[in-house]
Amino acid sequence: DIQMTQSPSTLSASVGDRVTITCRASQNIVNHLNWYQQKPGKAPKLLIYSASSLQSGVPLRFSGGGSGADFTLTINILQPEDFATYYCQQNYSKFPYTFGHGTKLENK
Amino acid sequence: QVQLVQSGAEVKKPGSSVRVSCKASGGTVNNYAISWVRQVPGQGLEWMGEIIPVFHTTNHAQKFQGRVTITVDESTNTSHMELSSLRFEDAAVYYCARDLPRSPGGGVFDVWGQGTKVTVSA
Repeated sequence: DIQMTQSPSTLSASVGDRVTITCRASQNIVNHLNWYQQKPGKAPKLLIYSASSLQSGVPLRFSGGGSGADFTLTINILQPEDFATYYCQQNYSKFPYTFGHGTKLENK
Repeated sequence: QVQLVQSGAEVKKPGSSVRVSCKASGGTVNNYAISWVRQVPGQGLEWMGEIIPVFHTTNHAQKFQGRVTITVDESTNTSHMELSSLRFEDAAVYYCARDLPRSPGGGVFDVWGQGTKVTVSA
């Protein structure tokens, strides 16, 4: 299985900040990397796919980058509704698709 | 806009089976792969398997091989996931999710069901 490692596991930030979450794959996954946001009691929401493509309807303050094994999710000008848990996920190999353990973005 | 609506919470005994349903409204379930993902309380997301309705093919994570059955009923626009030989550690929220239509190769989940909580208790 491809292992996905996110850092940090918890991130404290304030409204208006710029934050970056990193995700490292255990092997080269080219650009087959997706990012999801999940709020308590809700299903995950797709933010970014193919490493850097913004899903329809997602605010432009979200951006993704990277390739190979190292990826980032950046949120510019953090908004109150952005405090949530973020997961990366690889779809390079479906045996199985795997997720990172999540990064909880909390209000400082 | 397609929505996925899942069946309600279940309480099951160890060793029994659970069947969770996922009905598509506002669109058809037939054209895209449907995956099942679970989340143990307080933990991350775990992909269990998928069905590609147009081909009636399924793929499963090795961890669940032999215990999970994913089907689709085109007449009711519904996918079902059955997990057998339940253990205490199978207690989780189970989600269905649809593949993003334009993603090559699959595995990008753009529409999710609301989740179904499965409790395993003696």
